[in-house]
Amino acid sequence: ILNVEQSPQSLHVQEGDSTNFTCSFPSSNFYALHWYRWETAKSPEALFVMTLNGDEKKKGRISATLNTKEGYSYLYIKGSQPEDSATYLCAPYTGNQFYFGTGTSLTVIP
Amino acid sequence: DTGVSQDPRHKITKRGQNVTFRCDPISEHNRLYWYRQTLGQGPEFLTYFQNEAQLEKSRLLSDRFSAERPKGSFSTLEIQRTEQGDSAMYLCASSLGLAGYYEQYFGPGTRLTVT
Repeated sequence: ILNVEQSPQSLHVQEGDSTNFTCSFPSSNFYALHWYRWETAKSPEALFVMTLNGDEKKKGRISATLNTKEGYSYLYIKGSQPEDSATYLCAPYTGNQFYFGTGTSLTVIP
Repeated sequence: DTGVSQDPRHKITKRGQNVTFRCDPISEHNRLYWYRQTLGQGPEFLTYFQNEAQLEKSRLLSDRFSAERPKGSFSTLEIQRTEQGDSAMYLCASSLGLAGYYEQYFGPGTRLTVT
């Protein structure tokens, strides 16, 4: 069992604020890290797949970085919008399965 | 619609009954995953298939759980002698490629309630 920690557990921000979350995981047996967004009453949706130390990925206002040596990844949202409200999950892949964190629940207040 | 579908979306059953869920992945995807998700937790890995071969099964998974993927297309997850602790959302996901380097596409899930 892999211990994956996400912080904070929940976050409330005002529309227009920028925010970031952390995903921590053991650095051994690392193959890849996935980020997913899970909106209420919908299916989880993939944001990023990251594999290399130092990777930086960007999709619109959302970006992510990866540090495999120290075992963490950051997800950034610039200029949060109400439609960004969701739970953000990270999932390291160890070569045989994914281990999901408990997620960060983001609420963007208009 | 070419997304991942799951059936049924909701299932209420009495303790001790058997239930079976179905997942239809995106047609060209060769990997198929099953997860269980309970309130306040992230999805918990149950098992995965590469084509028709079941390659990994969670050590935490009771032997009451079994999954199949005949012909490498749709998959079924069966839970025998259900217990109240089995109440959860059961998610299926599929991905293209032979490793975890490809994003997973999730279905809408089957919510199981065991009374």
